[in-house]
Order: sequence, then structure tokens, then C-alpha cells
Amino acid sequence: SQELEQSPQSLIVQEGKNLTINCTSSKTLYGLYWYKQKYGEGLIFLMMLQKGGEEKSHEKITAKLDEKKQQSSLHITASQPSHAGIYLCGADIPASGGSNYKLTFGKGTLLTVNP
Amino acid sequence: NAGVTQTPKFQVLKTGQSMTLQCAQDMNHEYMSWYRQDPGMGLRLIHYSVGAGITDQGEVPNGYNVSRSTTEDFPLRLLSAAPSQTSVYFCASSTLAGGADTQYFGPGTRLTVL
Repeated sequence: SQELEQSPQSLIVQEGKNLTINCTSSKTLYGLYWYKQKYGEGLIFLMMLQKGGEEKSHEKITAKLDEKKQQSSLHITASQPSHAGIYLCGADIPASGGSNYKLTFGKGTLLTVNP
Repeated sequence: NAGVTQTPKFQVLKTGQSMTLQCAQDMNHEYMSWYRQDPGMGLRLIHYSVGAGITDQGEVPNGYNVSRSTTEDFPLRLLSAAPSQTSVYFCASSTLAGGADTQYFGPGTRLTVL
């Protein structure tokens, strides 16, 4: 079963519009990461959230982890074509049988920004 | 620092062939992992390692072997390639066991199995 659910799966917006991508877990998140990926390229780290209620911003991108630490949202203000790509959330999920954690990803959200 | 490097960038195999995907990092990270990325499936963890000599299975380990003889290297072996293993493979590393730190990703290896 998918431990991290992302929504929407894909999103098409007009340049200048705001948008939100959500990442939901059925378990408490110990670390939540947002990455961006352009087609055919590696992942670019955007932000890491650890504390409930934490909010971080980088340029026009803001990410927040809710108080219960089971959902995160990524908000882009005044979108631009350069924001287009696949956005992935990742979270530290306890590995079975031990104290280690493994980084687990959602399926990603494909964002298209039309000029 | 070169960060996380992966070789090759592209590879085409025939069914049944074997090969090794190389991954190396020069940041002295304890934690290394391999993911595969397929359309509509996101990133799925294949194997991971929390240090030299220690490896464990991830979500989709079948058909893949790993070893970690040094801190720097974490090769992924396909013993008998199958078309279902056509994918983009990413290697990643971090200082902790996947927790409270950022993961550094390699550029990926695009593998096609005919």
C-alpha cells in the first residue's frame, strides 16, 4: 500500500496562478521532504519539515507540515513556467524490525504551467 | 566534492544479461539507497544500507542484489535482467539513516531491457 498519498496527480495552471499540492500519510511523519524533478533529470531538494506546524518558504514556494504531522502542503504563489516539473514528497518511515528509517516517496504531482 | 555519482547514465540490455549499476559518494555518508522510478509509480526503494557491511531490502528488492564493502560505494546488481526492470534508477545518500537530514541524489541511470 502507498504510505504517502499525493494529490493531485497532475495539475495544469495558467502562469501567474497560485496552486497547492498535498501530501498525506496515515502515520506520524518524522521528517517530510519536498523535491522537484524535471523530466529526465535527478531530484532537486526543496525543503525539509520536521516540527508540527512548521512552515518554510523559498522564493515563491511555501511548504507546511500540519500540527498532527500527518499532512504537508506545498503552495506556489504566482506560478511561472520555470515551476513546471514533478513535485515529490518524501517522508521518513520507520523501517520494519529496527530503529532505522527509510525514505519513502509519494507518486509525485506533475505540474504544467502554461504561459 | 563530486556529491553522488552514478554510472552509466544510459544502458540497454537484453533479457537475461547481467550488469552492475555503480554509485559512489564522497561525502562520508553512512546511509545509501537505491530507488527506481517508473511512470505513475513515483520513487520506490529497492535496497538501502546504513553503513559498510550492512544492507537491507526496500519495497521492491526482487531481481536486485547490493553490497556495501566501503562507505563510498553502493553498487546495484541485476543478475538476470528482465523487461520489467526497464526504469530510471537513482542512488541517494545522507549522513543519517534516512532521518532528520537531506538526501543527496545522483543524476540517475536510464536502463532499458529488451
